[in-house]
Amino acid sequence: GAGVSQSPRYKVAKRGQDVALRCDPISGHVSLFWYQQALGQGPEFLTYFQNEAQLDKSGLPSDRFFAERPEGSVSTLKIQRTQQEDSAVYLCASSLSGGARKETQYFGPGTRLLVL
Amino acid sequence: GENVEQHPSTLSVQEGDSAVIKCTYSDSASNYFPWYKQELGKGPQLIIDIRSNVGEKKDQRIAVTLNKTAKHFSLHITETQPEDSAVYFCAASRYNFNKFYFGSGTKLNVKP
Repeated sequence: GAGVSQSPRYKVAKRGQDVALRCDPISGHVSLFWYQQALGQGPEFLTYFQNEAQLDKSGLPSDRFFAERPEGSVSTLKIQRTQQEDSAVYLCASSLSGGARKETQYFGPGTRLLVL
Repeated sequence: GENVEQHPSTLSVQEGDSAVIKCTYSDSASNYFPWYKQELGKGPQLIIDIRSNVGEKKDQRIAVTLNKTAKHFSLHITETQPEDSAVYFCAASRYNFNKFYFGSGTKLNVKP
């Protein structure tokens, strides 16, 4: 079946611009995660949704980062007034649910953001 | 919070040899440990996982071992092939907390 998809795959922004990154999770997956991956590093958690509820946003680096999942399926990560340090790959993952046996996260291909 | 350390950062082996990647974690409450393979320009792909009620798990050429007392877990790849070349990440999480804490990655190079 279809996996997690993300768009755009690449985004170049000028410093100060706003960007919006989209994630389409696997159909039926309750949980959705956003991670940020800097070059040569492992992914770092940003935020987590269960259906439309944002249950954990402890990883968002500043109030310029905002995520939503209004209907419990597609999610958008928005970064306002982008800075050069925002340059990274933004990964989206989904899972059936939290809890034992359903916690496996499936990742999308990521959006590579470059802020000039 | 959880801290996951991974080593080595790079590993070069000859085709057919075995490769071992090791991770340690700090939170004794972590109970789920997946391993991901990431190829250039792609998202991480799950290759194997282990839960804390199990000490070892095998899937063909791949195995993972877990030592809860020492808080470390390892990935073992036998009979390596050039297509195994990629970056491998370990991660740790707790069932009810959901977010994964990743190691910093190991770049595996399998020389033909």
